[in-house]
Amino acid sequence: KAGVTQTPRYLIKTRGQQVTLSCSPISGHRSVSWYQQTPGQGLQFLFEYFSETQRNKGNFPGRFSGRQFSNSRSEMNVSTLELGDSALYLCASSLGTVSYNEQFFGPGTRLTVL
Amino acid sequence: GENVEQHPSTLSVQEGDSAVIKCTYSDSASNYFPWYKQELGKGPQLIIDIRSNVGEKKDQRIAVTLNKTAKHFSLHITETQPEDSAVYFCAALTTSGTYKYIFGTGTRLKVLA
Repeated sequence: KAGVTQTPRYLIKTRGQQVTLSCSPISGHRSVSWYQQTPGQGLQFLFEYFSETQRNKGNFPGRFSGRQFSNSRSEMNVSTLELGDSALYLCASSLGTVSYNEQFFGPGTRLTVL
Repeated sequence: GENVEQHPSTLSVQEGDSAVIKCTYSDSASNYFPWYKQELGKGPQLIIDIRSNVGEKKDQRIAVTLNKTAKHFSLHITETQPEDSAVYFCAALTTSGTYKYIFGTGTRLKVLA
């Protein structure tokens, strides 16, 4: 069974640009969560999508948004990039919502903002 | 707000020795506590977890203990091997309001051959 896949793996952008990251969950999993990982802040929860609906949201500004498609694939968008958005963005998939199921992480997308 | 404290931040042990990593959580309503291992260039991988109705769980060389009263949980790795070297994260599933995982800040474990 294939694991969680994320594309692209590496991305370099400049301040003010926007970026879209993609995540394909494990087959059969319906929940996708997104996390930002930085050396200073560790792993921080961005949001969770389940059956195309945002179920939970972390404390990030509105520049961070996401969506989920009917095949459970998810995208995350960051608009008006700032230097502080440089991070490893991880997605994790669960069979159901995170409230009841363990989650499995992808390898992440390394975003560098110059 | 909810938080999880993790100690130590770095840990070096000799091969064959045991390693213990400790976490403390703040949300008393947390009911699920996973541990992840993250190797360089990879995403975190679930290695063991424990639910709030269990005090201890073991899987070969890895064990986790939970003290709900003190809001502490710990990861124990016995007979450490060089391939155990990685960053380990604890997490707590908080159920107050938004269901989400709160992660500890990570422990970099080095197993010296």
